[in-house]
Amino acid sequence: DAGVIQSPRHEVTEMGQEVTLRCKPISGHDYLFWYRQTMMRGLELLIYFNNNVPIDDSGMPEDRFSAKMPNASFSTLKIQPSEPRDSAVYFCASSSSGLQSSYEQYFGPGTRLTVT
Amino acid sequence: QQQVKQSPQSLIVQKGGISIINCAYENTAFDYFPWYQQFPGKGPALLIAIRPDVSEKKEGRFTISFNKSAKQFSLHIMDSQPGDSATYFCAASPSNFGNEKLTFGTGTRLTIIP
Repeated sequence: DAGVIQSPRHEVTEMGQEVTLRCKPISGHDYLFWYRQTMMRGLELLIYFNNNVPIDDSGMPEDRFSAKMPNASFSTLKIQPSEPRDSAVYFCASSSSGLQSSYEQYFGPGTRLTVT
Repeated sequence: QQQVKQSPQSLIVQKGGISIINCAYENTAFDYFPWYQQFPGKGPALLIAIRPDVSEKKEGRFTISFNKSAKQFSLHIMDSQPGDSATYFCAASPSNFGNEKLTFGTGTRLTIIP
């Protein structure tokens, strides 16, 4: 398997612009997580899905952030409008709750977002 | 969000030495404690994990020690190698959530010098 795939790997945008980050989880995984990593706040869970349904979005910082999972193989995290304080590395991760699962979360390579 | 406190923030160890990273938690409902390793430019990857029914788990050069009464757990890296240089994160999760609600520590940047 190719692992969790994220795109783009780097994104530079101007304040006020819309940003869309994309994630393809590992095939067969039923959980998908979006994290944000900054030096100040470390790794923060933003939202997670189970079987394409959002379960907990309590970590989403504000209404400017939204996430969708239209099918089992694709998810997006959108920021509209973006602000400089949104600059961070955004990770997508997936895991499986199957009987043989270890519940390990597999992280993608991340998207480094810079908002100027 | 419940905290997981991690120390030290950075650590320099000589090759062949023992690296020790400590974490403490508050929520007594936590019962899954993984450690993740992250190399620059990469996502975190699971290194080793423990549940509180045992006090120690060893996988190769990596050992987790767990003290339930003190609500502390630590990662020991024996015979540390330059390839171990990375950032290490402890994490914790309540049992009824599996690993869904992982709360991460702030990370320890480990550098192994020759």
